[in-house]
Amino acid sequence: GAVVSQHPSRVICKSGTSVKIECRSLDFQATTMFWYRQFPKQSLMLMATSNEGSKATYEQGVEKDKFLINHASLTLSTLTVTSAHPEDSSFYICSARDRRRRGDLYNEQFFGPGTRLTVL
Amino acid sequence: AQRVTQPEKLLSVFKGAPVELKCNYSYSGSPELFWYVQYSRQRLQLLLRHISRESIKGFTADLNKGETSFHLKKPFAQEEDSAMYYCALSPWGFQKLVFGTGTRLLVSP
Repeated sequence: GAVVSQHPSRVICKSGTSVKIECRSLDFQATTMFWYRQFPKQSLMLMATSNEGSKATYEQGVEKDKFLINHASLTLSTLTVTSAHPEDSSFYICSARDRRRRGDLYNEQFFGPGTRLTVL
Repeated sequence: AQRVTQPEKLLSVFKGAPVELKCNYSYSGSPELFWYVQYSRQRLQLLLRHISRESIKGFTADLNKGETSFHLKKPFAQEEDSAMYYCALSPWGFQKLVFGTGTRLLVSP
């Protein structure tokens, strides 16, 4: 249980185009999903926290107009990279928290496999 | 601000040797601390958390508030332990995770 999927797994696009990445919780409902970015050989950097039915909370330094996040249902969050540029090329990872979990398990996040974005 | 430091990028040991992956954190409140592991070509997954005080796959980690550390230990490393290990902190009252830079553990036969 507690599986998170991402689609696509890999995408290549031209500079100036927009790319949408989907994050789905397959067997649980997630009121909260998280979007991370990982540069080669570096750690995961939290970009934003996505709450179902409300606006996402972006970390300092992350452009909200550049990285649009939508969490329209309890099982789906999307990240749209608008007007992508080569410097946006990175590995994007989402995670989700199971709304049923309480107590010690409350904070556990389940991670997706990631999406590699290459902007030419 | 919260910060997690993993000083070693790579830790290479022989099978059967003890392993200690270091993690230090900086946070003024009471954090929740985790170790996540990423095996080759797999997604990140939770290994253990300080609240649970459990041993998973022979690994243990004790939160030392005085030294602000949460080192991961295993007395006898196995080849299948080879992976990338990330220490992470969740500030009290927040759901987000702050990750360290990770340590690659390589266990040789």
